[in-house]
Amino acid sequence: EAGVTQSPTHLIKTRGQQATLRCSPISGHTSVYWYQQALGLGLQFLLWYDEGEERNRGNFPPRFSGRQFPNYSSELNVNALELEDSALYLCASSSRENSNQPQHFGDGTRLSIL
Amino acid sequence: AQKVTQAQTEISVVEKEDVTLDCVYETRDTTYYLFWYKQPPSGELVFLIRRNSFDEQNEISGRYSWNFQKSTSSFNFTITASQVVDSAVYFCALSPFDNYGQNFVFGPGTRLSVLP
Repeated sequence: EAGVTQSPTHLIKTRGQQATLRCSPISGHTSVYWYQQALGLGLQFLLWYDEGEERNRGNFPPRFSGRQFPNYSSELNVNALELEDSALYLCASSSRENSNQPQHFGDGTRLSIL
Repeated sequence: AQKVTQAQTEISVVEKEDVTLDCVYETRDTTYYLFWYKQPPSGELVFLIRRNSFDEQNEISGRYSWNFQKSTSSFNFTITASQVVDSAVYFCALSPFDNYGQNFVFGPGTRLSVLP
């Protein structure tokens, strides 16, 4: 069974640009979660998508947004990039049927803002 | 509010030493899950263990062991006979018992360096 896949592995942008990060959940999982791990900080919850809808978001500005597609894959978009957006972005997935199972994480996308 | 504290920011040990990573949590939920994840230098999160709040039995898996004490809200992780490959950041996390759709609350992580 393929795990959670994220692309790209690395992304380099400059201030003011937009970044798009992608995530494919484990087959059968309908929920996708996004987390940010900035340098020196722990994991911060960003967004939760389920069945195509945004269900919850963490304490991040509106320039962090995303969507979930009919096949349950997801995009995270970050507009007007700032230097402090440089971080590892992790995606996780889970399913309603196995709600008591741990979230499965992808390998992450490392976003660097120059 | 839920909170996870990992007071040890960084730990360095010499190979074959035992090391314990501390985790203290706060929650008002009566039932919940606790987790440990390992994050090697490559960045991905690797699931290590999940423990539910009504099972305080300690668990051992090879060189890894976990001590869950509800009375002190602690879920400590011990690596016995540490190896260089154990070098990583370790995160303790907390989630509601029905964690579907509930974001995990992660601790800040403990960076473990195992020196040869």
